[in-house]
Amino acid sequence: QVQLQESGPGLVKPSQTLSLTCTVSGGSISSGSYYWSWIRQPAGKGLEWIGRIYTSGSTNYNPSLKSRVTISVDTSKNQFSLKLSSVTAADTAVYYCAEGGGGMDVWGQGTTVTVSS
Amino acid sequence: EIVMTQSPATLSVSPGERATLSCRASQSVSSNLAWYQQKPGQAPRLLIYGASTRATGIPARFSGSGSGTEFTLTISSLQSEDFAVYYCQQYNNWLLTFGQGTKLEIK
Repeated sequence: QVQLQESGPGLVKPSQTLSLTCTVSGGSISSGSYYWSWIRQPAGKGLEWIGRIYTSGSTNYNPSLKSRVTISVDTSKNQFSLKLSSVTAADTAVYYCAEGGGGMDVWGQGTTVTVSS
Repeated sequence: EIVMTQSPATLSVSPGERATLSCRASQSVSSNLAWYQQKPGQAPRLLIYGASTRATGIPARFSGSGSGTEFTLTISSLQSEDFAVYYCQQYNNWLLTFGQGTKLEIK
């Protein structure tokens, strides 16, 4: 069973770029046909899908964030990453990585990112 | 964007009773609908996909139904561990969208 673990800075300054990594264990990120997603959840609120990358490298991004988001894969490290530029306080949230093309059946534990000076 | 609307926002039910949660899509999503359970401080857990197929390890008391724009998650006999927030999510469109959630609380 694949397992996912998010990592990255817990504090980011306004206008800077948020960078997170999701490490995949128990399987290869490049074998098979998988979608690797990022989702976020502000404190006390619902889930927002940020975007995903397919095994082939193709990406889909939420239009509400598209101009600021980049998701990429590093197959040598069995990781995929999220970059969100020009962050504001509204980007403060728990960020999750997840696997699944429809229903996402594997999730990381989540990492809290706070945007503050 | 397909908007997912869940009702009610909060549902109060006694242990042992049945809970019925609803999810409506702004346009047809066929059967491309998933349900998740989320407990405080935890990541969401996939319960149902394909509108009615239980994910691995999910107890039989959880069932999903519906297609098109109207969906239901039913928990047949509530256990203490079932009190949580439930989200629906459509994947008929590449832009994945979630409902706002239903909080299932103990009555």
